[in-house]
Amino acid sequence: SQELEQSPQSLIVQEGKNLTINCTSSKTLYGLYWYKQKYGEGLIFLMMLQKGGEEKSHEKITAKLDEKKQQSSLHITASQPSHAGIYLCGADAGNKLVFGAGTILRVKS
Amino acid sequence: EPEVTQTPSHQVTQMGQEVILRCVPISNHLYFYWYRQILGQKVEFLVSFYNNEISEKSEIFDDQFSVERPDGSNFTLKIRSTKLEDSAMYFCASSARQILAEAFFGQGTRLTVV
Repeated sequence: SQELEQSPQSLIVQEGKNLTINCTSSKTLYGLYWYKQKYGEGLIFLMMLQKGGEEKSHEKITAKLDEKKQQSSLHITASQPSHAGIYLCGADAGNKLVFGAGTILRVKS
Repeated sequence: EPEVTQTPSHQVTQMGQEVILRCVPISNHLYFYWYRQILGQKVEFLVSFYNNEISEKSEIFDDQFSVERPDGSNFTLKIRSTKLEDSAMYFCASSARQILAEAFFGQGTRLTVV
């Protein structure tokens, strides 16, 4: 079965700093999804990547899927307190999602 | 903006009791899902449902679990005899097409079994 490994597990950054979260898959990725979750709340879809080398941006968040399609990175530029939360990567495992354990992001003002 | 609504937001139940978690998917959606997240662990797929039947289920979704769309608007998850290890956040999701990127997730129901 497909496993997703996220790193780091948690991250504390100063407001205004950039950061990167990684997601590595045990198998080729045919669809990689990034979600944000606030503690105790639902999952908010951020973006989806499908093609090797693909890169997408939404506001100050950029996600890339590497050429070999087994790793994705999520980069936040000039972090703000509103970016705080848990970032989850999810993989398309045949009409269902398999998730990573999540990366907890705290942004210090 | 349309949203998936789950009730209750938090439920506490005695071990061995039956619980029903309720979800109101977005009205024109046809595909429905339940996921769960045990505290501190990964979000895990439980079951998908389409055309009034289960499309796929995980190993977690054993005979103690069942899903139903009783009235064309609600989508429920029933746990017949709850165990302590069923304590988790349960998320419902729905989509109009079988495209995962289009799935909307509800806010979740936190189930605590005591």
